[in-house]
Amino acid sequence: AQSVAQPEDQVNVAEGNPLTVKCTYSVSGNPYLFWYVQYPNRGLQFLLKYITGDNLVKGSYGFEAEFNKSQTSFHLKKPSALVSDSALYFCAVKNQAGTALIFGKGTTLSVSS
Amino acid sequence: DTEVTQTPKHLVMGMTNKKSLKCEQHMGHRAMYWYKQKAKKPPELMFVYSYEKLSINESVPSRFSPECPNSSLLNLHLHALQPEDSALYLCASSPVTGASNQPQHFGDGTRLSIL
Repeated sequence: AQSVAQPEDQVNVAEGNPLTVKCTYSVSGNPYLFWYVQYPNRGLQFLLKYITGDNLVKGSYGFEAEFNKSQTSFHLKKPSALVSDSALYFCAVKNQAGTALIFGKGTTLSVSS
Repeated sequence: DTEVTQTPKHLVMGMTNKKSLKCEQHMGHRAMYWYKQKAKKPPELMFVYSYEKLSINESVPSRFSPECPNSSLLNLHLHALQPEDSALYLCASSPVTGASNQPQHFGDGTRLSIL
């Protein structure tokens, strides 16, 4: 069965520093992986998706994700964090039938000024 | 601005009331979804519609009744809800269901409080 894991409940970084939010996956077949962000009192916003063959995927708002097949990871990264990046981040994978998203538990990112 | 519009944004209802949540998208997507989200938790899938037909019901209690009147609209009818049903209800859409890297697009949700 498809699954994703986010090992950190919270990540704290200072503004201007690089950030990484971790995600590992377990899939059968092609990994249809996604990152979403949720700001307070808002829905989920799509950030980026894995594209087969691309080990570094670029997304919205300066975010990118590094895909590593040997480590079964799909970590979200940004070279320079902003206070406005503070939010709840979800990694997700499509189920095998492709009918639904399976989410990780979420990681709260806190960027301090 | 989200391309999936949900109304109302907030809803407070008693356990004996009947109300409906509405979701609308104009992206031409043929798959639409209802999720339930508790605070600081990931969304939980409730229902999936594909080409206006219900394709997945994740064993949701019958007090929740979905409806897809056309390819742009999705409703969730609520009746005799329980306090534990208080949550953020999210609607999403995607071009189709199936194994692909097409993302789902979410609305901002309806925050439901049951008194």
